Amino acid sequence: GAGVSQSPSNKVTEKGKDVELRCDPISGHTALYWYRQSLGQGLEFLIYFQGNSAPDKSGLPSDRFSAERTGGSVSTLTIQRTQQEDSAVYLCASSPNPSLRGTDTQYFGPGTRLTVL
Amino acid sequence: KNQVEQSPQSLIILEGKNCTLQCNYTVSPFSNLRWYKQDTGRGPVSLTIMTFSENTKSNGRYTATLDADTKQSSLHITASQLSDSASYICVVRNNAGNMLTFGGGTRLMVKP
Repeated sequence: GAGVSQSPSNKVTEKGKDVELRCDPISGHTALYWYRQSLGQGLEFLIYFQGNSAPDKSGLPSDRFSAERTGGSVSTLTIQRTQQEDSAVYLCASSPNPSLRGTDTQYFGPGTRLTVL
Repeated sequence: KNQVEQSPQSLIILEGKNCTLQCNYTVSPFSNLRWYKQDTGRGPVSLTIMTFSENTKSNGRYTATLDADTKQSSLHITASQLSDSASYICVVRNNAGNMLTFGGGTRLMVKP
């Protein structure tokens, strides 16, 4: 069946421009996660959605980052006034309704490679 | 501060040999620990997940251990294959806010 999809797969932008990254989770998955992976670094947790709400936004690196999810499905991650340090691969993952113990398996999308010149 | 430290950062082994990767964490309150395999240019794939009460869990040639007292986990790979070449990432979830903390990963290269 269809997995998690992300678009665009690659995005090159100029410093100071806004970008919007899209994630289409697996149908029926209630939880959605955004991560980023900078070159040579590990995965960095950004934000988690349960349905349309994000209980914890403290992982977002600055107020230039925002994310929303509508209809319990598609999510967009917006980066305003991009900086060169924003260059990274942005990964989205979704999981079925997580148990209270959080043992859900996350299914990752292919990522969006963002390059800020 | 929640932290996950992995060692070694990189490892080269010959095909057929075994290896063990380490993960130490300070995440609290602990919920579970997961090992992921990430191939270059791909998203991470879950190998094992362990909760507080579990000491050992196997998935084929992968065996993970967890010592919740010392807050250490290991991933043992048996009879390595060339396809095992990847980054292996340790991820710990806490019970507060469903937060995940990622280790920096161990980059494994298996040579023929």
